[in-house]
Amino acid sequence: NAGVTQTPKFQVLKTGQSMTLQCAQDMNHEYMSWYRQDPGMGLRLIHYSVGAGITDQGEVPNGYNVSRSTTEDFPLRLLSAAPSQTSVYFCASRHRVGSNYEQYFGPGTRLTVT
Amino acid sequence: TQLLEQSPQFLSIQEGENLTVYCNSSSVFSSLQWYRQEPGEGPVLLVTVVTGGEVKKLKRLTFQFGDARKDSSLHITAAQPGDTGLYLCAGGSWGGSNYKLTFGKGTLLTVNP
Repeated sequence: NAGVTQTPKFQVLKTGQSMTLQCAQDMNHEYMSWYRQDPGMGLRLIHYSVGAGITDQGEVPNGYNVSRSTTEDFPLRLLSAAPSQTSVYFCASRHRVGSNYEQYFGPGTRLTVT
Repeated sequence: TQLLEQSPQFLSIQEGENLTVYCNSSSVFSSLQWYRQEPGEGPVLLVTVVTGGEVKKLKRLTFQFGDARKDSSLHITAAQPGDTGLYLCAGGSWGGSNYKLTFGKGTLLTVNP
């Protein structure tokens, strides 16, 4: 299994540009999510999905869109990039183990908005 | 709002030393997970503890879940440079049918040769 994969690894955007961060998993996990990680702020949840066709907002959803057409893929779209969106983005999937869940992260995308 | 406080925030030690990092909350969690994140990589799950008082060992790493399931600790014996990284704890909890993972901000460990 490749686990959770993300592309690209690095990206530089100008303010106002749009782009899509790709995420895929081959573990057949129903739940997938996107986080951003910033110094001093920790990991913050952007959006999540509990299955194909179902998405919901996390704690910092503004400026981002998601969709989930298949179990495997969960892309994150930046509609109009802003410098405040400079961050490292992680996609994750999780599966149930007993009464809890275990989560697996992708390698991350480092995004710089100038 | 559930919060997980990790301490210390930064830790720099010499190879061979022992260390303990802490993860504390005023909230009760159904599970507590520990992750290690190396530079330029995503967090990797090390262990999940689910029972109050539970202790798990992973080679030189010992994880403990507090009796009240509000806190946890990670102890590393004879640290090695390969242990360098950001250690994150995450508490799992149920809110209705939704399972939420709350992350601490991490402890950045540097082990010097």
